[in-house]
Amino acid sequence: DVKVTQSSRYLVKRTGEKVFLECVQDMDHENMFWYRQDPGLGLRLIYFSYDVKMKEKGDIPEGYSVSREKKERFSLILESASTNQTSMYLCASSLSLDYGYTFGSGTRLTVV
Amino acid sequence: QQQVKQSPQSLIVQKGGISIINCAYENTAFDYFPWYQQFPGKGPALLIAIRPDVSEKKEGRFTISFNKSAKQFSLHIMDSQPGDSATYFCAALSGGYNKLIFGAGTRLAVHP
Repeated sequence: DVKVTQSSRYLVKRTGEKVFLECVQDMDHENMFWYRQDPGLGLRLIYFSYDVKMKEKGDIPEGYSVSREKKERFSLILESASTNQTSMYLCASSLSLDYGYTFGSGTRLTVV
Repeated sequence: QQQVKQSPQSLIVQKGGISIINCAYENTAFDYFPWYQQFPGKGPALLIAIRPDVSEKKEGRFTISFNKSAKQFSLHIMDSQPGDSATYFCAALSGGYNKLIFGAGTRLAVHP
């Protein structure tokens, strides 16, 4: 089974800090995604990547950036954390865009 | 155009009953419709999916019904069990957009 691992389950950061959320997948998937999950809003796409060093903006990219230096690793960066970025962050990967995504367990980020 | 509208927001069903969750979409370019199941503390997991060339797909107690003309699809859980209590997300994918668009989610509680 594909495994998508997010490095932290819970994070607490201060406003203005630079925050790195790490995600690693172990099945050589080309495609990786970052979503945030908020009650009543479902999952909203922040950024995605089709290949190494390639990235595309999703629906809510403001305040975020990403890095994909290696195929298996996709990092989400909050350049200057704000309280409205308090959320659950989910990483996913997929072999093909025609098929389902495999999600990690999520990182619950609280910005104080 | 890219929205997927999901209802109800929450659902309570008695054990053995039928759970029904509905989704509607606008974009006729969507060509893949998965359902994800999420338990507390876990990432969403692919449950079942359908393409618009069929009107129904069944896997065990889970059935997707698809109405292309109405641009609606629904998840039916037969003989609902307490272990089915989770949040369910519908989603839609268009190859042209290369990303999954999720509904807002339905929190299902199955009471014994």
